Amino acid sequence: AQKITQTQPGMFVQEKEAVTLDCTYDTSDQSYGLFWYKQPSSGEMIFLIYQGSYDEQNATEGRYSLNFQKARKSANLVISASQLGDSAMYFCAMREGPSGGYQKVTFGIGTKLQVIP
Amino acid sequence: GAVVSQHPSRVICKSGTSVKIECRSLDFQATTMFWYRQFPKQSLMLMATSNEGSKATYEQGVEKDKFLINHASLTLSTLTVTSAHPEDSSFYICSAINGQGMNTEAFFGQGTRLTVV
Repeated sequence: AQKITQTQPGMFVQEKEAVTLDCTYDTSDQSYGLFWYKQPSSGEMIFLIYQGSYDEQNATEGRYSLNFQKARKSANLVISASQLGDSAMYFCAMREGPSGGYQKVTFGIGTKLQVIP
Repeated sequence: GAVVSQHPSRVICKSGTSVKIECRSLDFQATTMFWYRQFPKQSLMLMATSNEGSKATYEQGVEKDKFLINHASLTLSTLTVTSAHPEDSSFYICSAINGQGMNTEAFFGQGTRLTVV
């Protein structure tokens, strides 16, 4: 079964508008971490935002916020006031595994975001 | 954020030869390093997880004799693609974490584009 599901292969958004990128996850662990990364065409992976499974507040980092709905196992990324430089692939990822034991970080298939001037 | 340096960024090799890719954490001790493979326009596929001083844990379907991983120190992990073939051509990217806590982000290297001719 897919651990991380991103159902939007591609998204368009008008410059200065907000956009939501969907992510659902599957785990039986109680403690896990959820991340969003941005990958521009250069290939580097840029960390955007983190949400811990025990965090009660939704994470925010500048124009990025994470809409965490634990019961639904969703962790959608919201980008406000989109900029042309936001055009990139966006990956949702999950870190799971016992503390002190084998842990791994797995990724969804990504969403390609294109910001239109 | 922390810096992970991956070298080389690009390599072209002849079929049948071996290629070594290095992943170094420059300003932190990486307790765990991950190796991913990314095909064009696809997600990062986890190949293996390595903890310093112990054998790597390979994901299902990844040949451990083909992709040799060594994590000799807390700052260096290497991936050696042995007897490379054209189908091994891909983008390989490493990431490192510096703790067991779930809120520790994974820091990524710049990636290595391997072309086997």
